[in-house]
Amino acid sequence: DVKVTQSSRYLVKRTGEKVFLECVQDMDHENMFWYRQDPGLGLRLIYFSYDVKMKEKGDIPEGYSVSREKKERFSLILESASTNQTSMYLCASFPSGARVGNQPQHFGDGTRLSIL
Amino acid sequence: AQSVTQLGSHVSVSEGALVLLRCNYSSSVPPYLFWYVQYPNQGLQLLLKYTSAATLVKGINGFEAEFKKSETSFHLTKPSAHMSDAAEYFCAVSEDQGGKLIFGQGTELSVKP
Repeated sequence: DVKVTQSSRYLVKRTGEKVFLECVQDMDHENMFWYRQDPGLGLRLIYFSYDVKMKEKGDIPEGYSVSREKKERFSLILESASTNQTSMYLCASFPSGARVGNQPQHFGDGTRLSIL
Repeated sequence: AQSVTQLGSHVSVSEGALVLLRCNYSSSVPPYLFWYVQYPNQGLQLLLKYTSAATLVKGINGFEAEFKKSETSFHLTKPSAHMSDAAEYFCAVSEDQGGKLIFGQGTELSVKP
């Protein structure tokens, strides 16, 4: 089974802090994603990466950046946290090419981030 | 641009009753469509996936969904609700089998005894 692990389930930070959310997957997937989940808005894509050191903006990238130095790890960075970034953050991974088949995106359990 | 609309942010049914969760999509290309479920304090789990092989798709836990191109719909059904079905359900669309997903707003399903 694919395992996507997010380093923290709950995180409390202060405005202006630099915040790192970490995600690790163990299935050698090329593609990794960061979503933000808010009530009534569903999940919205922040950034995704289709290979090491590659990144693409999603639908709501403002205020965020990402890092992918190794294939298994995808980090989301809040450069200067603000209260409107209080949310649930979900990481996902997905294979490429011939391995796609019937694979779904595999999600981590999420990090609930509060910015005070 | 792709989009997904889920009708009803909250749906409540009695145990044993039919579950119907509605999803309409827009896509400029033949879409891949998904239903995911999220139990409290967990990530998303795939219920089922439409990839054009068959219009009626059967998933896990007794759920199924029917792709209707003329109605641009992909509604999720289950004949008989169980208490354990209480969760939030998300419909999603993709142009590339699930690489980049566009999600609906979510529907919270409550099941009454």
